[in-house]
Amino acid sequence: SQQGEEDPQALSIQEGENATMNCSYKTSINNLQWYRQNSGRGLVHLILIRSNEREKHSGRLRVTLDTSKKSSSLLITASRAADTASYFCARNYGGATNKLIFGTGTLLAVQP
Amino acid sequence: EAGVAQSPRYKIIEKRQSVAFWCNPISGHATLYWYQQILGQGPKLLIQFQNNGVVDDSQLPKDRFSAERLKGVDSTLKIQPAKLEDSAVYLCASSPHYTGELFFGEGSRLTVL
Repeated sequence: SQQGEEDPQALSIQEGENATMNCSYKTSINNLQWYRQNSGRGLVHLILIRSNEREKHSGRLRVTLDTSKKSSSLLITASRAADTASYFCARNYGGATNKLIFGTGTLLAVQP
Repeated sequence: EAGVAQSPRYKIIEKRQSVAFWCNPISGHATLYWYQQILGQGPKLLIQFQNNGVVDDSQLPKDRFSAERLKGVDSTLKIQPAKLEDSAVYLCASSPHYTGELFFGEGSRLTVL
């Protein structure tokens, strides 16, 4: 499968703590994207990191990409109750279609 | 800027009935996607359009699912006949760039009884 793995499947932390989610993939990617999904809603794009980039920041979010290990991580610093959601990584393998393949996600619960 | 519009938000049907979902992407977005998201799973790509041409439909169950994108704008996804395992949220997304970020609608939740 081209999807690879995401871990953990679920994560529960206290407000103010940091949350780290990991995503792996199996073949070379064009880019990797992270999305958030609140319960019953559509997905919202967070960050896109290209294969030639190693780290990107957006507010309290930090994404790293290690192409040698075929893995990426999303770090949310100083978490808030409003960060409670499912987080998905999506792999763009390029090629003729550039389709985006989503993993199974990490369910993050931030306790107030 | 208006987001991706989808309707209906909720639909309940009996198995073997038919259903259609509609999507209006963000104006100017050439690429449109339909994803199926079963409860507790990540979205699974069903079909991808570039303007009004199909780029990828390798995971679309073509014996029961069909999709079209008229004039490169709105799109409809149809299921006929529906099966119990089609119960899911059907997400439409659009993108301005072939390799860029996707903008999702709120989804259409289908329950097949």
